[in-house]
Amino acid sequence: AQSVTQPDIHITVSEGASLELRCNYSYGATPYLFWYVQSPGQGLQLLLKYFSGDTLVQGIKGFEAEFKRSQSSFNLRKPSVHWSDAAEYFCAVGAGSGGYQKVTFGTGTKLQVIP
Amino acid sequence: DTGVSQNPRHKITKRGQNVTFRCDPISEHNRLYWYRQTLGQGPEFLTYFQNEAQLEKSRLLSDRFSAERPKGSFSTLEIQRTEQGDSAMYLCASSSRTGEYDEQYFGPGTRLTVT
Repeated sequence: AQSVTQPDIHITVSEGASLELRCNYSYGATPYLFWYVQSPGQGLQLLLKYFSGDTLVQGIKGFEAEFKRSQSSFNLRKPSVHWSDAAEYFCAVGAGSGGYQKVTFGTGTKLQVIP
Repeated sequence: DTGVSQNPRHKITKRGQNVTFRCDPISEHNRLYWYRQTLGQGPEFLTYFQNEAQLEKSRLLSDRFSAERPKGSFSTLEIQRTEQGDSAMYLCASSSRTGEYDEQYFGPGTRLTVT
């Protein structure tokens, strides 16, 4: 069974500073990897996804993530954080057969942005 | 495309009562998922429908939980004899396979509080 670990429960960064959120996964085959963002009272929004190919993937809102198979990691980065990025971020791994994906989420990292 | 909608957005109920939630997926999506998210955790998979067929159920879905998707359109999730441990956010997602992967679009969720 697949699993996801997000070691940082809470991160605080200053507006304009760079950001890296860590994610490690466990899965026996090539994983489908995702980063979602959840703002208070909102549903989950997909930031980016990795299936195959280029290990550096670009997403929405200026986010990117790098897949490193040797480290079983899929860390999320942003070069300059905006106050509106304050939210909770979830890394997830998808696996399944028959064409659908059962997505397993990490426990999330709550991002606080200070002026 | 109006997105995935869920009703009600909030539900407060007394222990022992039955509750029912509704999910309206994106109209052309044939796949529908239910997840549960408790405080401080990521969403956990509950069940999956392809059209009207319920194809997988998590062990988290006890006998008190039942989900339906009549006619392959909207879905309902019913919890009978609610317990305080059922307090959570219940998220619905829908998808339609395109290419290698079916991207899941999440609704805003229904927050259940059992008193």
